[in-house]
Amino acid sequence: KAGVTQTPRYLIKTRGQQVTLSCSPISGHRSVSWYQQTPGQGLQFLFEYFSETQRNKGNFPGRFSGRQFSNSRSEMNVSTLELGDSALYLCASSFSDHNEKLFFGSGTQLSVL
Amino acid sequence: KQEVTQIPAALSVPEGENLVLNCSFTDSAIYNLQWFRQDPGKGLTSLLLIQSSQREQTSGRLNASLDKSSGRSTLYIAASQPGDSATYLCAVKVGGSARQLTFGSGTQLTVLP
Repeated sequence: KAGVTQTPRYLIKTRGQQVTLSCSPISGHRSVSWYQQTPGQGLQFLFEYFSETQRNKGNFPGRFSGRQFSNSRSEMNVSTLELGDSALYLCASSFSDHNEKLFFGSGTQLSVL
Repeated sequence: KQEVTQIPAALSVPEGENLVLNCSFTDSAIYNLQWFRQDPGKGLTSLLLIQSSQREQTSGRLNASLDKSSGRSTLYIAASQPGDSATYLCAVKVGGSARQLTFGSGTQLTVLP
C-alpha cells in the first residue's frame, strides 16, 4: 500500500508569491491534516479535513488555506509569502477522524527568499 | 492551552544501553498520546499509540507508558542500536472542538557504536 505522498518535495519562492502544496493520503484514508515544522516553533497544527470538510484550523493567518477533494487528496495554499513561512510542511492521513495512528508524508520543504 | 514538554532535548548513549525518554503534558483531557520518530529531513513515523484508557503499549524493543493523572508518558527503548538514532517526538490529541495533535519539541537521540 502506498504511503502518504507529498509534492513537490522542495520549493523555492520569493516574498509576495503564492504557493500550493499537494498531499495524496493512503488509499482509503479520509482524514488529512497539515502541520508546519520550523526549528523555532517545532510542529504546529494548520488544519484538518475529513470528507471534504474542514474540521479544525490552527492559529495561523488567513493567508494559509486548504481544501480536500472528493478523492481525499488535499491541497494547502499560502498566499503573499513571508520569510517566516519557510518551513517543512507535513501532511498526515488516517482512516477516520477518531483516535487512530497518523501516517505522515515526507513533507514539502518550502524556502522563501 | 495544552503544552507538551520533552526532557532531555538531546541524549547520547552507547550501543546496547536501555534508555527512557520523557514526555509531560499540562491538560489530562486527552484522547490519546503518540510517540513518533523523525529522521533528518524526513517525515514522522508513528511508533506507538496509547489511547486515553490504556496504560501502556509495546512494539518490539519499544514500550510506552501513559499516566494521565500525572500528565506523563515515557518511551522505553531496550538494547539501543545505532539505527535508533533519530529525533523522538510525543504528541497528544486533545478533545473538544480542537481535535488536533499538540507536539513536544522532541528528544534528539544519538546511539554511539
